[in-house]
Amino acid sequence: DQQVKQNSPSLSVQEGRISILNCDYTNSMFDYFLWYKKYPAEGPTFLISISSIKDKNEDGRFTVFLNKSAKHLSLHIVPSQPGDSAVYFCAAVYSGAGSYQLTFGKGTKLSVIP
Amino acid sequence: SAVISQKPSRDICQRGTSLTIQCQVDSQVTMMFWYRQQPGQSLTLIATANQGSEATYESGFVIDKFPISRPNLTFSTLTVSNMSPEDSSIYLCSVGRMSIQETQYFGPGTRLLVL
Repeated sequence: DQQVKQNSPSLSVQEGRISILNCDYTNSMFDYFLWYKKYPAEGPTFLISISSIKDKNEDGRFTVFLNKSAKHLSLHIVPSQPGDSAVYFCAAVYSGAGSYQLTFGKGTKLSVIP
Repeated sequence: SAVISQKPSRDICQRGTSLTIQCQVDSQVTMMFWYRQQPGQSLTLIATANQGSEATYESGFVIDKFPISRPNLTFSTLTVSNMSPEDSSIYLCSVGRMSIQETQYFGPGTRLLVL
């Protein structure tokens, strides 16, 4: 049973427009949520995170929104650039009992069209 | 952040053989993790490797199949034993710290194809 779900395997957006990547989760015990970006033949790179006690975190062009009641988070990229084309993974952290485990979604491939 | 390297970057192996993947970090870290990403799937945690103790394996992964070494705070190895085509995957190591304020940093991955 997948605890973190990214239901859109791919997304295409015009350069300059907004990209919205969505993520749903089932475990209400998650403490933190993170977004990673992955280019082909490279490891995932941390992008932005949000604590479960917040509903928004912004870093430059990237903003993550968290709706705890809906168990839903989204990553907004504004404006989108061709270099943003990559696979984006949503991940959730549960730090109970001293552990620190990331649970990943399957990823969404973003294509930004020039 | 941490700079992480992995060797080999890719390999093609025969069924029944074993491959050891190395992970080197440029700083001392307490927690190291090994993940697998099978085609079209998410990253799945195989085990957590802490220096000075035995690795902790996740459900579905066992030490006999994926033995791990963690001889010091900057290095770890993962061995994929008695390989089958189902082991074809990307294997990634990552490092993190106990504080959840900090995230995990990933190596570039090892692409394994088992024939």
